[in-house]
Amino acid sequence: ETGVTQSPTHLIKTRGQQVTLRCSSQSGHNTVSWYQQALGQGPQFIFQYYREEENGRGNFPPRFSGLQFPNYSSELNVNALELDDSALYLCASSLGGGLSYEQYFGPGTRLTVT
Amino acid sequence: EDQVTQSPEALRLQEGESSSLNCSYTVSGLRGLFWYRQDPGKGPEFLFTLYSAGEEKEKERLKATLTKKESFLHITAPKPEDSATYLCAVRRMDSNYQLIWGAGTKLIIKP
Repeated sequence: ETGVTQSPTHLIKTRGQQVTLRCSSQSGHNTVSWYQQALGQGPQFIFQYYREEENGRGNFPPRFSGLQFPNYSSELNVNALELDDSALYLCASSLGGGLSYEQYFGPGTRLTVT
Repeated sequence: EDQVTQSPEALRLQEGESSSLNCSYTVSGLRGLFWYRQDPGKGPEFLFTLYSAGEEKEKERLKATLTKKESFLHITAPKPEDSATYLCAVRRMDSNYQLIWGAGTKLIIKP
């Protein structure tokens, strides 16, 4: 059984640019959630995808968008990057569209915006 | 307003010195409370889910308990490899997806 993987590991972008982060869910899981984690804080929920549809969103602006593919892998896109977007971006997979409570996290992508 | 507060922010213990971490929560109906462990630069690792007051779960040196207002993560005779940040999160009864997270307790076990 393969775990959750994310790419890239680290990324440096300039303010105003766009970025795409990728996540492969754990084998058998059909739900992916994305989180933003600032240093010294807990993760903040961005959104969740279940069977290729967004089925929940946190307090993040529309420039944060995502996709889920038929194989349940997922992308997080951030447009018009701001300095405050610098953080660890975490992807978590689970089974059941939110009814399964246990989420399994990938190692994260460290995004630095300069 | 829904809130999860963890205390202390940081805890330094000697190897073998038992202690407890606290997670207090305010939510309109609890659907589940989760404990995770996070090592520096890595994603959180799932530890426990608790659903109702009075429930307890154990794993090696860790034991999680739940009341109507808070949860405790008890660590017995810790080892240096238990050093990590321990995160608590809750899910509301009316939510299928969003977890509300605490800021974590950074645990350091000195040999």
